[in-house]
Amino acid sequence: GAVVSQHPSWVICKSGTSVKIECRSLDFQATTMFWYRQFPKQSLMLMATSNEGSKATYEQGVEKDKFLINHASLTLSTLTVTSAHPEDSSFYICSARDWGRNTGELFFGEGSRLTVL
Amino acid sequence: AQTVTQSQPEMSVQEAETVTLSCTYDTSESDYYLFWYKQPPSRQMILVIRQEAYKQQNATENRFSVNFQKAAKSFSLKISDSQLGDAAMYFCAYKSNAGGTSYGKLTFGQGTILTVHP
Repeated sequence: GAVVSQHPSWVICKSGTSVKIECRSLDFQATTMFWYRQFPKQSLMLMATSNEGSKATYEQGVEKDKFLINHASLTLSTLTVTSAHPEDSSFYICSARDWGRNTGELFFGEGSRLTVL
Repeated sequence: AQTVTQSQPEMSVQEAETVTLSCTYDTSESDYYLFWYKQPPSRQMILVIRQEAYKQQNATENRFSVNFQKAAKSFSLKISDSQLGDAAMYFCAYKSNAGGTSYGKLTFGQGTILTVHP
């Protein structure tokens, strides 16, 4: 139980295009999901908190117009990287908490590797 | 704001030996969780062990155990009988149990790359 799935796992796009990454909780409802960015051999940096039915909360320094987050249902959050540039190339990971479990644990998706040419 | 510090960028251990990864954190809160996550080359984040701050007893999960020193704000991970499959990047993480905008967010340390030698 408590599976989080991301799609796509790997995407290559041209500079200037937009890319959408999906994060789904497969067997639980997630009112809140979190989006992280990770560069090679570095830590996970929180980008934003995605809230079902309301606007996302972005961390300081994260451009909300560039990284659009939509949390339209209790099982799906999407991250859209708009007008992507090579510096946006990174590994993006989502996580969610299963409120049905009182463990405090967050469950992570498999991650999505974005390469912008 | 909470911070988590892992001062060991890289560690190595011989197979079957024991290794300890260090983690310190800074917070003014009293109610929180601490975690160790493992990230193998597949980059899937895997929970290794969790500790609730209100529990004095150190958490253990098979070969993995922690030394939780709340007053010192220290949370080290001990891996006993190390196996080749333990090789990965390990992250210490903090999660507040207070309400507000920070609720549910994980703050990660810088990570420690663990190499296991056969």
